[in-house]
Amino acid sequence: DAGVIQSPRHEVTEMGQEVTLRCKPISGHDYLFWYRQTMMRGLELLIYFNNNVPIDDSGMPEDRFSAKMPNASFSTLKIQPSEPRDSAVYFCASSLEVTGTYNEQFFGPGTRLTVL
Amino acid sequence: QKEVEQNSGPLSVPEGAIASLNCTYSDRGSQSFFWYRQYSGKSPELIMFIYSNGDKEDGRFTAQLNKASQYVSLLIRDSQPSDSATYLCAVNRGKLIFGQGTELSVKP
Repeated sequence: DAGVIQSPRHEVTEMGQEVTLRCKPISGHDYLFWYRQTMMRGLELLIYFNNNVPIDDSGMPEDRFSAKMPNASFSTLKIQPSEPRDSAVYFCASSLEVTGTYNEQFFGPGTRLTVL
Repeated sequence: QKEVEQNSGPLSVPEGAIASLNCTYSDRGSQSFFWYRQYSGKSPELIMFIYSNGDKEDGRFTAQLNKASQYVSLLIRDSQPSDSATYLCAVNRGKLIFGQGTELSVKP
């Protein structure tokens, strides 16, 4: 299995531009998670999906952020308009299942976003 | 109080020593706990998880859980320079809540 795939790996854009990050989860995994990692805030969950349905988006910072999962093999995280404070590494992760005891998540390589 | 707290480090140990990484959590209802390792510039990778009080061993790694004290630890025996990384503790509450991570440096 190829693991979780993310694209692009690096993105440099200017303030005000739209940014779209992409993720392909591991085949057969029903859960998909989007995280953001910065030095200041660490690794924080933005949103997660179960069977393509958003379950918890409480971590989405503001309306400029949106995420979709149109099918089981593809998800996007969009920032419009982007701001310099959005600069971070964005990770996508997937999991086979989530229970009280089980929540083994496999992370993609991440997208390093720089907003100038 | 943060939901998951870890000492940021850096924690420096000599090669061959035992490295002890600690984590405390605030929600008594948390049922399982995960340790991830993250090399600089890479993504987190799961080392092990634990959900029962006591110790769980996997090779050189031992996770310890004390729910009464709301405390989780990771011991790395015979530490190697390749173990130098940031170790993230996460609490499972239907979603993973991560600590800030502890940076470990193993000196040859």
